[in-house]
Amino acid sequence: QKEVEQNSGPLSVPEGAIASLNCTYSDRGSQSFFWYRQYSGKSPELIMFIYSNGDKEDGRFTAQLNKASQYVSLLIRDSQPSDSATYLCAVYQDTGRRALTFGSGTRLQVQP
Amino acid sequence: EPEVTQTPSHQVTQMGQEVILRCVPISNHLYFYWYRQILGQKVEFLVSFYNNEISEKSEIFDDQFSVERPDGSNFTLKIRSTKLEDSAMYFCASSAWEGNTEAFFGQGTRLTVV
Repeated sequence: QKEVEQNSGPLSVPEGAIASLNCTYSDRGSQSFFWYRQYSGKSPELIMFIYSNGDKEDGRFTAQLNKASQYVSLLIRDSQPSDSATYLCAVYQDTGRRALTFGSGTRLQVQP
Repeated sequence: EPEVTQTPSHQVTQMGQEVILRCVPISNHLYFYWYRQILGQKVEFLVSFYNNEISEKSEIFDDQFSVERPDGSNFTLKIRSTKLEDSAMYFCASSAWEGNTEAFFGQGTRLTVV
C-alpha cells in the first residue's frame, strides 16, 4: 500500500511567520509531488508542484524535495490569516497506478 | 482563467437510486479524473480517463460506477444503486498531460444519500 503521510495538525503560526509543512511518502518510484490547499468545504487548489530534488520557489511558497529521504515540504513565508487552510500533499507514481495519492492533510492556522 | 466546472453542486438522492454527476473539464485538457472525499477523510482516486476510455481505476471504482464522455465537453460519473456510504464530495479534475501533472480540480459535487 503506497502511503503519503502528513501530520494532521493543527499547525499554529503567528501572522508574518514562516509555516513549515511536511510530508513523507513510501513509494520510491514516485516522480511528481504536489501541494494543494483546501479550504473547508471547498475543492483542492493546486499551489505548487516539484519534480526534482532541491527547492522550488513561487512567491511566498517554497517546495522542497528530498527523494533519498522520501520527504517533501512546503514553506510559506510571511504567513497570512488567509493562508489558514488544510494543505494536502499529493504524490504521483509513474508506474503501477498512475494517479495522485493524497495525504490526509495538515491544518494550518495563522493567528492574526 | 479556465476552470473545471461541475454540476450540480449538491445532490440528495435516496438509497438505491442512480445519480449522474457532470463535469466540464478545461477545454484543451486531455486527461480527466474523478476523485472523492468522504467527510473528514482523504481525497481518494476513483478513475482516470483518456482518449475515450478508462486509463486507471481504483478498487473503489467497482461495477456500481461508470464514466462517460458523451460529447466533446462533458465528462460524467454515474453511480448506480447508491448506498449510504457513497455520500461524499466528488471532485472532477483534468490535466493537459499524462501523469496528473498539474491536475486542476472542479468545485465538487456534494452527494448525500439518504
